[in-house]
Amino acid sequence: AQKITQTQPGMFVQEKEAVTLDCTYDTSDPSYGLFWYKQPSSGEMIFLIYQGSYDQQNATEGRYSLNFQKARKSANLVISASQLGDSAMYFCAMRGTGAGGTSYGKLTFGQGTILTVHP
Amino acid sequence: GAVVSQHPSRVICKSGTSVKIECRSLDFQATTMFWYRQFPKQSLMLMATSNEGSKATYEQGVEKDKFLINHASLTLSTLTVTSAHPEDSSFYICSALRQDSFSGANVLTFGAGSRLTVL
Repeated sequence: AQKITQTQPGMFVQEKEAVTLDCTYDTSDPSYGLFWYKQPSSGEMIFLIYQGSYDQQNATEGRYSLNFQKARKSANLVISASQLGDSAMYFCAMRGTGAGGTSYGKLTFGQGTILTVHP
Repeated sequence: GAVVSQHPSRVICKSGTSVKIECRSLDFQATTMFWYRQFPKQSLMLMATSNEGSKATYEQGVEKDKFLINHASLTLSTLTVTSAHPEDSSFYICSALRQDSFSGANVLTFGAGSRLTVL
């Protein structure tokens, strides 16, 4: 079974500062993928960043970077230069190894972290 | 980029009635779509996998007779909540896989979601 844990129900950050959102995971799959999604108050889920378990380098995409520590089973999201529009719920999710394409759609989500950016 | 459209965004119905939610892939074909459910301030849970031209695959604990899924074409999947009751009130989100141009990973692209309120 897979499990994702986000221990921070809420986080606050000052505009233009960096913030780290924690995510730890547990899985017995040898190969897996880790995702971060942003969910603003409108409800849509916006994909931010992906890290494969065999990727040697930490994933980065714009202001988002993923601090992947495989031995610790953590995949923290770092948002640099926070903007007011970053205020939202953030979900960490994992996909394990599976046979066939349909398993690629099954993500295990964490409980989420509400990020509030102050001006 | 790939877009998934979901309709209606909000629906209010009386207890005992049925509600249909549509999910369309706008600029790509999706042989498989995925329906998730999210309770207020909680995480997302996969309900079922919608397969074009065949029966949907339901997750454990999801009543297939209550949540009817039809995937009649390569761009349309529908979720019908039959004989809805107040406990069915929730946020329903559909999704489809697309290849992320940056990482090359298969990433779930979500619709904007449908908020169902059963009175």
